[in-house]
Order: sequence, then C-alpha cells, then structure tokens
Amino acid sequence: GNSVTQMEGPVTLSEEAFLTINCTYTATGYPSLFWYVQYPGEGLQLLLKATKADDKGSNKGFEATYRKETTSFHLEKGSVQVSDSAVYFCALSGHDNFNKFYFGSGTKLNVKP
Amino acid sequence: GAGVSQSPSNKVTEKGKDVELRCDPISGHTALYWYRQSLGQGLEFLIYFQGNSAPDKSGLPSDRFSAERTGGSVSTLTIQRTQQEDSAVYLCASSMRQGQRGYTFGSGTRLTVV
Repeated sequence: GNSVTQMEGPVTLSEEAFLTINCTYTATGYPSLFWYVQYPGEGLQLLLKATKADDKGSNKGFEATYRKETTSFHLEKGSVQVSDSAVYFCALSGHDNFNKFYFGSGTKLNVKP
Repeated sequence: GAGVSQSPSNKVTEKGKDVELRCDPISGHTALYWYRQSLGQGLEFLIYFQGNSAPDKSGLPSDRFSAERTGGSVSTLTIQRTQQEDSAVYLCASSMRQGQRGYTFGSGTRLTVV
C-alpha cells in the first residue's frame, strides 16, 4: 500500500539555520510527491512537488528531490526565516490512483529570531 | 471563486446532533475531496468526487458520514449523530481533473463535539 512517514516535530531552529525535514514513502509504481505547508490559522498550501524520479521541486527557497532509490523526498532550506514557522506535510498521490493523497503526520517548525 | 471556501469555519455541536459542513470549490475544478485532520494527526482521506462519476467513499469512517455534490460544484459533508471522536478539522480541496498536480485546500471547518 501507499504511506508516508515524516520526522516528528517540533523542530526548533534559529533564524538563518539550515533546515531538513525527512520524508520517506512506500508506494507501488511511480507516485507523485508533494510538500504542503500550513501556516498558523490558515489552510494547507502546496509548497512544491515532483512527479518523477530525480526531479527537484523548489519554491520560496525550499527544495526537495525525488529519490527513488531511497524512497525519500526530504525538504531542505538553506536559511530559514521566522516567517517559515508552520506545519509541513509530506504527501504522495499513487500512480494507481491520483485521486487519493496520502499525507504524513506533519512536522511543526518553529523558527526563533 | 478565487479559492476553496468552507463554511462554517467553526462549529460546536452537542453529542448526538447532526451537522452539515459546506465546501464551495474553485470554479472550473471538477474534482473535490474531503479530508479530516484530527489533533496531532495527519490528514485522513474521506471521500472524492470527480465530475459525474460515482464518488470514491472508501475513506468514510462509518455510515454516519455522507457527502453529496450538487450540480458538480458545491459539496456538503453530513455527520449524523455526532460523537466526540468526530471532533476534528474537516478540510475540503479541489483540483482540475485528477490531482496529480496537487490540490487547493480550503481553510477548513473546525468541528467540536461536546
């Protein structure tokens, strides 16, 4: 079956620190992979995506590379800001059914000034 | 509309009452999804609508839950005889056709059953 596992939070960093949030997945075939972000009091927003192996999704300084050999899609940012404080969700949509997304449990990021 | 709109944003109800949650998707989006986000948990798929096709109801947790989508646009999620474990944020999302390019989510309805 399809599933997503991401590192538990909260993650607390100082401003300008390097961020990594680990995400690994289990899926049949070739899923599409996503990172969503949920800022306090807001709905989920698509942050970035990758639809095939070795693709790199990027947006707002965040990056994630679709690694089929390690079934991973880790989220990285070189220098976080206080405004990046949010909950980050890794997700996949299966090759067998693009209509159903599987989400990780979310990782809360706190960035301190 | 410009985004996915959900109402109400907050709902407090007594155990045993029925509730209706509304979702107004982005105009032109043919696919509509309902998810549930319980405290400290990830998102749980509930139901999916695509055009005029039969909905995928495989995620509905019990027969107290039902959803309909009228005219291919607005959707209503109904929970009958609410229980405390139904307390969660109910999220609606929509997309063009299938969701492999990602969904657009609404801000959710926070349901509290007391």
